[in-house]
Amino acid sequence: DQQVKQNSPSLSVQEGRISILNCDYTNSMFDYFLWYKKYPAEGPTFLISISSIKDKNEDGRFTVFLNKSAKHLSLHIVPSQPGDSAVYFCAARSLTSGTYKYIFGTGTRLKVLA
Amino acid sequence: DVKVTQSSRYLVKRTGEKVFLECVQDMDHENMFWYRQDPGLGLRLIYFSYDVKMKEKGDIPEGYSVSREKKERFSLILESASTNQTSMYLCASSLRRREKETQYFGPGTRLLVL
Repeated sequence: DQQVKQNSPSLSVQEGRISILNCDYTNSMFDYFLWYKKYPAEGPTFLISISSIKDKNEDGRFTVFLNKSAKHLSLHIVPSQPGDSAVYFCAARSLTSGTYKYIFGTGTRLKVLA
Repeated sequence: DVKVTQSSRYLVKRTGEKVFLECVQDMDHENMFWYRQDPGLGLRLIYFSYDVKMKEKGDIPEGYSVSREKKERFSLILESASTNQTSMYLCASSLRRREKETQYFGPGTRLLVL
């Protein structure tokens, strides 16, 4: 049972345009959400996060939106750059047996075309 | 700057061998995690540890065990490697705090079991 879903395995966007990556979740007890970026042959690196009590968080070109009623998370990258080409994972945090666990989505491969 | 290192980038083992994957972090993080990444399945949590000598099963612990004798080191053990354990293995660490908790990942170990 996939609690965190990224339904688009890939996305292509022209350089300078907006990239929108989506993530849906099923567990209303998730309290914190994160986006990670992964280049080939490297570990994921943290990009941006949002608490469940907020609906938007912005950091430079990256903005994360949270719609709790729809259980939907999105990452906007504006403007997109070729260096943004990577696999993006969303992750959700839950408290289990007194410790935090993270559930990751399956990833979306973003390709930014020059 | 947080650094998470993994003992090997690439590993080739034979079915039935005992395999040790080592992970070391240098930022005094309480939490450490082992994931495997497979195409179409994202990152799946194998085991995690929130303190020395403490361990908790993740979502797919079967066929694996872990050891955390020191705070900075978290080892993943495949007691008898099988071909379905061919995967990319990622170690991560994080501070134990409610807000702005971020996992830092190592570069990954690509394991091939023949």
